[in-house]
Amino acid sequence: QSALTQPPSASGSPGQSVTISCTGTSSDVGGYNYVSWYQQHPGKAPKLMIYDVSKRPSGVPDRFSGSKSGNAASLTVSGLQAEDEADYYCSSYAGGPYVFGTGTKVTVL
Amino acid sequence: EVQLVESGGDLVKPGGSLRLSCTASGFTFRNAWMSWVRQAPGKGLEWVGRIKSKTDGGATEYAAPVKGRFTISSDDSKSTLYLQMNSLKTEDTAIYYCTIVASGKFDYWGQGTLVTVSS
Repeated sequence: QSALTQPPSASGSPGQSVTISCTGTSSDVGGYNYVSWYQQHPGKAPKLMIYDVSKRPSGVPDRFSGSKSGNAASLTVSGLQAEDEADYYCSSYAGGPYVFGTGTKVTVL
Repeated sequence: EVQLVESGGDLVKPGGSLRLSCTASGFTFRNAWMSWVRQAPGKGLEWVGRIKSKTDGGATEYAAPVKGRFTISSDDSKSTLYLQMNSLKTEDTAIYYCTIVASGKFDYWGQGTLVTVSS
C-alpha cells in the first residue's frame, strides 16, 4: 500500500485560506468515504480534525473543512490563524489496512 | 476523559525484540478497535497494524513492512494493548503511537513511545 500523495508545503497569511490535496487510488481514497485528516504540532501527537471526508469532531473549529472527488481529497483551512501552523496528514481506509498521506507543512506567513 | 499511555520504548540492537504497552482509560476498552501508528524521526505517519475488539472477533491486520515480525494483542482485564516487535530493523526506529480506530478514523492518540534500533 503506497502512501497517499500530499504537497510538502502550503502557506497563507492570517485570515486567508489554504487548501491541501491528498491523492490516492480507487483502492483507498476513491473506494471509501473514510478519509480523515490530522493536525500535528511539533513534538505532539496527531489530532483528528476531519473524518468521513467532511465531518468535524466536537471542538474542531468550522474553519476546517474537507471534501473528496474521485481519488482525491482535500482539506481547506479558512481564516488562517497562527495556531494552524502545523503538519497535516490525510488518511484513508483501504479495505483492511489504512494508509496515511506524505504530510503537508502549513506555514502561516 | 479518554487516555492512552504508551510505554516500553527503548534502545535495542538490530535483530532484537521489544514489547510496547498502551494502557487505556476513560472508555470501554473491550469494545474498542485499537491500532498502532508509527513515525520515524522527521518523517510522516505510518500505520502499523490493528486489532478488532474481542466482541468483534479479535482479528489482527498488519502493514506489509511489519507483517510476520510484529504482533498486536490486548488484555481486556488490564485495558492494555500490546505490540510485540521481533527481528527489529534500523528502519523500525520511530515513535510508536497507540490509537483508537473507529469507522476509518483514528479518534484518540497516546503521547507515543520512542523505539530506537541501533547497534
